[in-house]
Amino acid sequence: GAGVSQSPRYKVAKRGQDVALRCDPISGHVSLFWYQQALGQGPEFLTYFQNEAQLDKSGLPSDRFFAERPEGSVSTLKIQRTQQEDSAVYLCASSLGLRGGTDTQYFGPGTRLTVL
Amino acid sequence: KQEVTQIPAALSVPEGENLVLNCSFTDSAIYNLQWFRQDPGKGLTSLLLIQSSQREQTSGRLNASLDKSSGRSTLYIAASQPGDSATYLCAALSGYSTLTFGKGTMLLVSP
Repeated sequence: GAGVSQSPRYKVAKRGQDVALRCDPISGHVSLFWYQQALGQGPEFLTYFQNEAQLDKSGLPSDRFFAERPEGSVSTLKIQRTQQEDSAVYLCASSLGLRGGTDTQYFGPGTRLTVL
Repeated sequence: KQEVTQIPAALSVPEGENLVLNCSFTDSAIYNLQWFRQDPGKGLTSLLLIQSSQREQTSGRLNASLDKSSGRSTLYIAASQPGDSATYLCAALSGYSTLTFGKGTMLLVSP
């Protein structure tokens, strides 16, 4: 079946512009995660949804970052008034939402955001 | 706050060698420890998941071990191949949602 897809794959924005990044999870996956990966670093957790509920947004770096998943499927990560330090690859992952430490996250290819 | 460290940062080996990648974490209260592979321009692929109650997991030429008490995990790759060239990331799951990643080990296997 289809994996996690993300669009666009590449986005160039001028500083101050707003951007919206889309994630289509694997069908039937309850949990959805967003990560930010700077060059040469490991991914860093941003936020987590269980169905349409955003249960953890502790990793969002500022109030310019906003994520939603209104129908419990597709999710959008929005960044307002982009800054150069926002340049990174934004990864989306989804999972079945299993408990007990057995849940495997499946990652999309990422969106590479460059802020000029 | 959980911190994950991977050593070495980069590794270059000739084809056929066995190799070990190291991962350490500061908080032993984890649900699981996962190893991922990342190819350039692509997302992460899950390789092995070791639950906190387990000591190791194996998949083909890959074997991962977990020692929670010492905060360490290793990924052993047997008979390495050029196709194994990639960045390998380990991640510790603390809580239901928080996966903390290391910076990765960049592996190059030359023919």
